[in-house]
Amino acid sequence: DAKTTQPPSMDCAEGRAANLPCNHSTISGNEYVYWYRQIHSQGPQYIIHGLKNNETNEMASLIITEDRKSSTLILPHATLRDTAVYYCIVRAVSGGGADGLTFGKGTHLIIQP
Amino acid sequence: DAGITQSPRHKVTETGTPVTLRCHQTENHRYMYWYRQDPGHGLRLIHYSYGVKDTDKGEVSDGYSVSRSKTEDFLLTLESATSSQTSVYFCAISGGRPPITGELFFGEGSRLTVL
Repeated sequence: DAKTTQPPSMDCAEGRAANLPCNHSTISGNEYVYWYRQIHSQGPQYIIHGLKNNETNEMASLIITEDRKSSTLILPHATLRDTAVYYCIVRAVSGGGADGLTFGKGTHLIIQP
Repeated sequence: DAGITQSPRHKVTETGTPVTLRCHQTENHRYMYWYRQDPGHGLRLIHYSYGVKDTDKGEVSDGYSVSRSKTEDFLLTLESATSSQTSVYFCAISGGRPPITGELFFGEGSRLTVL
């Protein structure tokens, strides 16, 4: 799986958009980008995934650059409950099965009141 | 929320004793996983299962065994617990076809302390 690079921590003001970057310059054509978050002491929570097109759901938007070497997770109106560690994961999920995801250190996003 | 239940949620045991953690799901998902999470190491995959009686090792499988006799249950066993296995253990499930198989749903965790 391609390696990802994320800033260790970020701050964002409550009510503003939180933009979390992820670099995955060695991504392969069959690898998806997944985002998860983990609120303190809870299990990780799936947020969104994408291949090459931008994606949006009720939680967030995912913007993937045209060359697919980086992506940005956008939380449009951050709240205090969005304070968490956010993980960007790149994974080739093929038809052969699913042997889990590899979690790195992620970005600790702190929403400031 | 995905129907995943881990038990026990908290356990304190002594070195050398056997410990079994249970993960139960009500989603009929094919894939199940056991992770451990430690400060400084993040989440690491221990074992996973891709069907009844079909399991495989993850990144940190030494000292652990698993069993899956039914779709809904995935057991993690520490045959002889050691202090290095003190950790928070998370079970996860996923189903469907790729790439949805990359959408993992996690349980609430089981905190194990080995004295």
